[in-house]
Amino acid sequence: DGGITQSPKYLFRKEGQNVTLSCEQNLNHDAMYWYRQDPGQGLRLIYYSQIVNDFQKGDIAEGYSVSREKKESFPLTVTSAQKNPTAFYLCASSVDSNTGELFFGEGSRLTVL
Amino acid sequence: AQSVTQLDSQVPVFEEAPVELRCNYSSSVSVYLFWYVQYPNQGLQLLLKYLSGSTLVKGINGFEAEFNKSQTSFHLRKPSVHISDTAEYFCAVSDLRKRDSWGKLQFGAGTQVVVTP
Repeated sequence: DGGITQSPKYLFRKEGQNVTLSCEQNLNHDAMYWYRQDPGQGLRLIYYSQIVNDFQKGDIAEGYSVSREKKESFPLTVTSAQKNPTAFYLCASSVDSNTGELFFGEGSRLTVL
Repeated sequence: AQSVTQLDSQVPVFEEAPVELRCNYSSSVSVYLFWYVQYPNQGLQLLLKYLSGSTLVKGINGFEAEFNKSQTSFHLRKPSVHISDTAEYFCAVSDLRKRDSWGKLQFGAGTQVVVTP
């Protein structure tokens, strides 16, 4: 089955540690995205990538980094510079560049202790 | 930039009753509109989308939405809800004015629907 796989589903880290969230898709989509979800705030775009080896900052990129070395993979690193990293992180991909319709993974919940 | 307002943060509803979730966006220029549903601790699933054509859009699970350009609204409705419709619902907009808005959806804050027997 085609889809987007995020791992891990739950992650606990100590303050000051960098963590990397994995996102893999086998939908052959060119575009991939990372969103952050906090209660009552909807989804906010962190980074997006339209093609391999290229990515752009979204609305809340500070304290995060990404890479796009392969079409299938778009990992997100939450660095120690991110002031409030505890959140639910969602990865998505897009097949149609004209409509903006997104396909989402199941999310990764990061808790920083 | 576009903004999306979901007017209700939580909507309680009895099983088999109708429900309407309200969504307004900030600009009347060309947009694509979406409704997504999120079940607890899961990702988002597309319920329906408006790209062009008929202003009444039908989606999965018996949901429908009506695009109203003059009121910049895209309200979601279901005539009879089930317990399984308990979830959070997000309205999203894609602004067609800007080439670099490709794929960059602007989401509302979400509406939590709680269906009780």
